[in-house]
Amino acid sequence: NAGVTQTPKFQVLKTGQSMTLQCAQDMNHEYMSWYRQDPGMGLRLIHYSVGAGITDQGEVPNGYNVSRSTTEDFPLRLLSAAPSQTSVYFCASSYSARRNNSPLHFGNGTRLTVT
Amino acid sequence: QKEVEQDPGPLSVPEGAIVSLNCTYSNSAFQYFMWYRQYSRKGPELLMYTYSSGNKEDGRFTAQVDKSSKYISLFIRDSQPSDSATYLCAMSAGFDRGSTLGRLYFGRGTQLTVWP
Repeated sequence: NAGVTQTPKFQVLKTGQSMTLQCAQDMNHEYMSWYRQDPGMGLRLIHYSVGAGITDQGEVPNGYNVSRSTTEDFPLRLLSAAPSQTSVYFCASSYSARRNNSPLHFGNGTRLTVT
Repeated sequence: QKEVEQDPGPLSVPEGAIVSLNCTYSNSAFQYFMWYRQYSRKGPELLMYTYSSGNKEDGRFTAQVDKSSKYISLFIRDSQPSDSATYLCAMSAGFDRGSTLGRLYFGRGTQLTVWP
């Protein structure tokens, strides 16, 4: 049971490049989300999904797109990378968005640097 | 003002010490409170979960919630070097209160080092 798997672990981009951060979970979780973690800022929610075909914006969605075509996968797309998007990105999932005690399971992160 | 405030530390204690980690919050609708532990270069993992006010104990860890003061705490007894990590508090108003589904508000995290 792999849990939440994120790829790649590290990535360096030049300003203006685009890329997709991959996230997959094998726990049949309904809810999936993307966070970024910056020093002094904590974890901030980018986008989330409560099921296949359903996505919504979080706290800091600008510059990012998501889609949820399957239960397992929730990729995060950077459309035109900017230095301000240098961060550590975490994907997290939980069994249900409708159960308040459903804990979040996190992947081990993708460390992105934009030069 | 951020929804959740947490002193980032760092906090450095000797092995065996009692550690106290704290968060304050401003939203009185929060009623689900969590502590996550994050080791270096890893994702956060859920450590403790409490609902509403009161205490919860799990081994060496005790979580306390005081909703009247909007203050939550995590106590670690007999701290070990393996407890060295960043501890993040998190909280939500919950689905029933009409909040954004699954929306957790995180503190910035407190970095803890337990030295032998």
